[in-house]
Amino acid sequence: GAGVSQSPSNKVTEKGKDVELRCDPISGHTALYWYRQSLGQGLEFLIYFQGNSAPDKSGLPSDRFSAERTGGSVSTLTIQRTQQEDSAVYLCASSPRATGYTFGSGTRLTVV
Amino acid sequence: RKEVEQDPGPFNVPEGATVAFNCTYSNSASQSFFWYRQDCRKEPKLLMSVYSSGNEDGRFTAQLNRASQYISLLIRDSKLSDSATYLCVVTNSGGYQKVTFGTGTKLQVIP
Repeated sequence: GAGVSQSPSNKVTEKGKDVELRCDPISGHTALYWYRQSLGQGLEFLIYFQGNSAPDKSGLPSDRFSAERTGGSVSTLTIQRTQQEDSAVYLCASSPRATGYTFGSGTRLTVV
Repeated sequence: RKEVEQDPGPFNVPEGATVAFNCTYSNSASQSFFWYRQDCRKEPKLLMSVYSSGNEDGRFTAQLNRASQYISLLIRDSKLSDSATYLCVVTNSGGYQKVTFGTGTKLQVIP
């Protein structure tokens, strides 16, 4: 597609439920990043993919968080047993190389 | 020390003013630098890359000082529409392309 697509754009879930967030990067972009941004805060790095592998998962906050990428394209971020502190905007960005990163419009997750 | 540091602001400036932001980085091996702009409740968008020789895009000038490990963004003749949060971005390549975002500097241009 023309840009980075994320779905859903908004997700409200009950505490304890699992959620899946999807990112469809720009075609041909090999690098894919997930970030989290709480209200009024900066970007918090979660995980980086190069192709289908994840050389850096250091930002995942707990073992409830996991992510995968298939076919060097779509990525899914899964949060198990959601907690209220997981509420944030989850942003995905893709890049072909070190020439700038294009962000999706994010998924706003609210855990109630 | 954080890898990338920015003054969070807010910087409140009148229309027409010139304002400058700095961003310091800790890794001397950092390779690529960018400024991003983020409007409220929107995703960050690339404003401009930062080149070693400095670069200008209209009212915006970006500079890199490798010796002191900082980048700067200068905005001349501020417009109301410049109000946003400005994020600096630093890329390293320790094995892979690690990208680090600063927490951003908030700019509010006042009529």
